[in-house]
Amino acid sequence: AQKVTQAQTEISVVEKEDVTLDCVYETRDTTYYLFWYKQPPSGELVFLIRRNSFDEQNEISGRYSWNFQKSTSSFNFTITASQVVDSAVYFCALSDPYGGSQGNLIFGKGTKLSVKP
Amino acid sequence: EPEVTQTPSHQVTQMGQEVILRCVPISNHLYFYWYRQILGQKVEFLVSFYNNEISEKSEIFDDQFSVERPDGSNFTLKIRSTKLEDSAMYFCASSEIPGGRGSNQPQHFGDGTRLSIL
Repeated sequence: AQKVTQAQTEISVVEKEDVTLDCVYETRDTTYYLFWYKQPPSGELVFLIRRNSFDEQNEISGRYSWNFQKSTSSFNFTITASQVVDSAVYFCALSDPYGGSQGNLIFGKGTKLSVKP
Repeated sequence: EPEVTQTPSHQVTQMGQEVILRCVPISNHLYFYWYRQILGQKVEFLVSFYNNEISEKSEIFDDQFSVERPDGSNFTLKIRSTKLEDSAMYFCASSEIPGGRGSNQPQHFGDGTRLSIL
């Protein structure tokens, strides 16, 4: 069965601190996709990144970076020099489009990040 | 940039009433999805739709739910007889092809409809 675990329910940091959000996933398949979405207080889901299971190269986008480690089934997300605008709930998600599904996303429970000035 | 649009943004309905949530997916997308998020909880998959029929549905998507693509642009979710526990944010999403398969484009989400059942 597919599963996404975000063990950190809430994290609170002070502005300019670095913060890492953990994501651990379970799937039987060798081909899958991993995602991070941001949900600000306004409620919409904002796509941040997609990574396929064959691409373990870490990615950096501005203050955001992602560390994908297949060996530990983890896809962690780091925000460097956090800002108040980063305050949101962050969801990790797994998609298994080759497993007979139409690629529906399995979400973790989310991590609520609060960045204080 | 093309967007998925959902209307209304907030719907208040009496328990037992029928409600229809509307979505306009991105125009060249072929796969459509509904997700639900109960307040403070994770986003849960409800149903996927392709080629005018349901492709997959979750346990949540029982007989009180139905989806339809009544014309070339709209994709609707109908809840026949609403219950208090149906109160949630409902997200519509669309993708060119399934869930990111073979494409750099993920599922695009609308801003959601907040459904409140009284």
